[in-house]
Parts: sequence; structure tokens; C-alpha cells
Amino acid sequence: DQQVKQNSPSLSVQEGRISILNCDYTNSMFDYFLWYKKYPAEGPTFLISISSIKDKNEDGRFTVFLNKSAKHLSLHIVPSQPGDSAVYFCAASGAGSYQLTFGKGTKLSVIP
Amino acid sequence: KAGVTQTPRYLIKTRGQQVTLSCSPISGHRSVSWYQQTPGQGLQFLFEYFSETQRNKGNFPGRFSGRQFSNSRSEMNVSTLELGDSALYLCASSRTGEGRNEKLFFGSGTQLSVL
Repeated sequence: DQQVKQNSPSLSVQEGRISILNCDYTNSMFDYFLWYKKYPAEGPTFLISISSIKDKNEDGRFTVFLNKSAKHLSLHIVPSQPGDSAVYFCAASGAGSYQLTFGKGTKLSVIP
Repeated sequence: KAGVTQTPRYLIKTRGQQVTLSCSPISGHRSVSWYQQTPGQGLQFLFEYFSETQRNKGNFPGRFSGRQFSNSRSEMNVSTLELGDSALYLCASSRTGEGRNEKLFFGSGTQLSVL
């Protein structure tokens, strides 16, 4: 049973536009959420995180929004750049546990 | 500071064989986690080691095992390989594995192909 779901396997966006990657979760115990980015032939790298006590966290071009009632989070990238082309993984952990549960990933392609 | 190092980078085995993968964490990191990445299932947690002890375990059969040495280096073993074990195996390290603000640092992975 997939507790963290990324329903869009892929997304294509024009350079300069906004990229919105979505993630849904089913486990109510999750209270900390992260996004990781993965380039081919490399391991995932941490991008941004958000605690359940917040509904928004920004870091430069990257913003994560959390809607707890909908059990939904999204990653916004503005403006999108060709170097952002990668697979993005959403991950979550629950209170009392630091183990991460990952989604299946969304492959973002930013077209120049 | 050197990153997480995984060896070998690629591995080809046949069904029924066993395989051992190695991971050297970032210096000073004592928590090492292993993940399996497949196209259909994404990243799935295998287990986590801290101070030579398995602290957390995912939902994988007993054919998957691991260990950690006193220098925090870790090995993962898969016995009686099956075709479905073909995957990218990722190792990640962190200082203690206990902080919400602790980031996981991943290695580049070992790509295992089972024929």
C-alpha cells in the first residue's frame, strides 16, 4: 500500500514557467515532509522540507506548500530552468520515527 | 569532505547467486540506511544501521540482510537472487539518523542486474 503517492510519473514545462509537482499521503501520522531531486546516475539530493506546523516553506526558487486537511503537498519551482530537469521524490516521516517513506517520483523535463 | 561511496557501481548476477554491496558513509556519520529503487515502486526502505546495530527494518524478505562495522561502513547482502531483485540499491548516511533536520546524503548507488 503506497502511503506517499506521486500520481504524475512525468511533467514537461517550458523554461521560465512554473513547475508544480504534487504529492499525496494517506498516513495521518506523517508530520514531516521532504523533497529530493535525483539526476541520472546520481543519488537523490535533499531539496526542501516542511513540518506539519507550517503550510509553506520557501528556499529561493523552490516553495513547498502543505495542505494537511487534504493530505496534499506540492513543490513549486519558479522560474523553471533546464538544470531542474530531474526526477523529484516526495518523502514523509511520522512522529517518533525518522524513517522516510518515499513516493515513486515525478520526472520533470524543462524545455529550453 | 568525501561523499557517500558505494561499490561496485554495476553488478550482474544470475538467479540463485548471492551478492554483497558496500557503502562508506560520510566521515562522522554513524547512521547508514539502504534503499531499493525500482521503476515500479520508487524508493523503498530496506534497513537502517547505527553503531553496528540494525535499528529499523523495512518490509523485505530475510534474503536481504546487512551489517555495519565499527568504522560505520556498511554492507548489504542479498542471497538466492531473484529476477525481481534487479534494481538500483542506494545507501544514505546521516550523523545520527535521529534529527528531523538531519539530511540524508545518498551515494550514487549500485545498479544490480539479475539474469
